[in-house]
Amino acid sequence: EPEVTQTPSHQVTQMGQEVILRCVPISNHLYFYWYRQILGQKVEFLVSFYNNEISEKSEIFDDQFSVERPDGSNFTLKIRSTKLEDSAMYFCASNRGQDGYTFGSGTRLTVV
Amino acid sequence: AQSVTQPDIHITVSEGASLELRCNYSYGATPYLFWYVQSPGQGLQLLLKYFSGDTLVQGIKGFEAEFKRSQSSFNLRKPSVHWSDAAEYFCAVGAGEYGNKLVFGAGTILRVKS
Repeated sequence: EPEVTQTPSHQVTQMGQEVILRCVPISNHLYFYWYRQILGQKVEFLVSFYNNEISEKSEIFDDQFSVERPDGSNFTLKIRSTKLEDSAMYFCASNRGQDGYTFGSGTRLTVV
Repeated sequence: AQSVTQPDIHITVSEGASLELRCNYSYGATPYLFWYVQSPGQGLQLLLKYFSGDTLVQGIKGFEAEFKRSQSSFNLRKPSVHWSDAAEYFCAVGAGEYGNKLVFGAGTILRVKS
């Protein structure tokens, strides 16, 4: 069964550093997403991406965040200057449209 | 704004017993509804989804859910729980302009005792 692949599985970074989280969505999917889950809290929507542009973003997704699809397979989330409160599990997801998402296994980001 | 409420933070059931996890949603239009399961350290796996049609939806691993518009509910059920079902379960509603943004509930942690 096709999978969404996320790398790395765990990343530790110092406060103020830039991080890039990487995802390979399912190849015939058209919509791509990032969600995050702070430990013990709900899974929260960050951003959706379609046709090479952001289609929707949440209040969390401020100027410190950006997404990119640099080639035909990768989808990245960049956090420019990490804060302690950015520590969370970040999930990438994809789908073809209004159907069930396929989520990746997540990247656990720890900001120290 | 769309929201999802899962009233039970933890539920413990005996292996072989039946299970019902509650989910209530708030959404103006006909909702797209989902149940996901998350095992520790793992991603989110789709159990089942409701878009339209038959209000009783069958999913993977023997789970089913029933959409009740009058109660704004989408409860997840399983007739006989297995120890491997222990995990956290999330209900979600498709929101946003195209229904593509998922709004999740807080989750219910299921413990299975032998």
